[in-house]
Amino acid sequence: DAKTTQPTSMDCAEGRAANLPCNHSTISGNEYVYWYRQIHSQGPQYIIHGLKNNETNEMASLIITEDRKSSTLILPHATLRDTAVYYCIVRVAWGSGAGSYQLTFGKGTKLSVIP
Amino acid sequence: NAGVTQTPKFQVLKTGQSMTLQCAQDMNHEYMSWYRQDPGMGLRLIHYSVGAGITDQGEVPNGYNVSRSTTEDFPLRLLSAAPSQTSVYFCASMESSYNSPLHFGNGTRLTVT
Repeated sequence: DAKTTQPTSMDCAEGRAANLPCNHSTISGNEYVYWYRQIHSQGPQYIIHGLKNNETNEMASLIITEDRKSSTLILPHATLRDTAVYYCIVRVAWGSGAGSYQLTFGKGTKLSVIP
Repeated sequence: NAGVTQTPKFQVLKTGQSMTLQCAQDMNHEYMSWYRQDPGMGLRLIHYSVGAGITDQGEVPNGYNVSRSTTEDFPLRLLSAAPSQTSVYFCASMESSYNSPLHFGNGTRLTVT
């Protein structure tokens, strides 16, 4: 798996958009970008993923740069319940070898939403 | 659909004791894995399985055993607990499609004294 780099922490005002960056400069052409979050001591929760196109779902938007070396997770209207640690990981598609099974999580970004 | 269920939620062991952390999923996922998370750290992969009868080591496998006799269950065994194994343990499963996400349980908080 390619390594990712995320800021250790970020603050965001409630109601504003939260933009969480992730650098994955060594990403391969067949690696997907995934975002998860972990609220307090709960199990991590899947948010969104993408390969090269921008993606949007009910939780967030994912913007991937054209060269795929970085991405941004956008929470459009952050609420206090979005306070969590956000993890960006990259992995190859299932069946592409050990990289599709040995999913590596870094330390993530601790997002604090401020009232 | 219960998703990924872990039991127990909390456990205290004495050094040298053994125990099994249970993990079950009802989504018919082929892939299952165990992670541990220590304070201020990310998740570290202990063992994983890509199907019944198949297991492999992750990043930190020492001190842990696993087996996968059914698709649904993936227990993690500590044969002789050590204080260094005090941690929160998460089980996760994933469908074997090309880009499916991981689904996590809510964790087991283990303290070894």
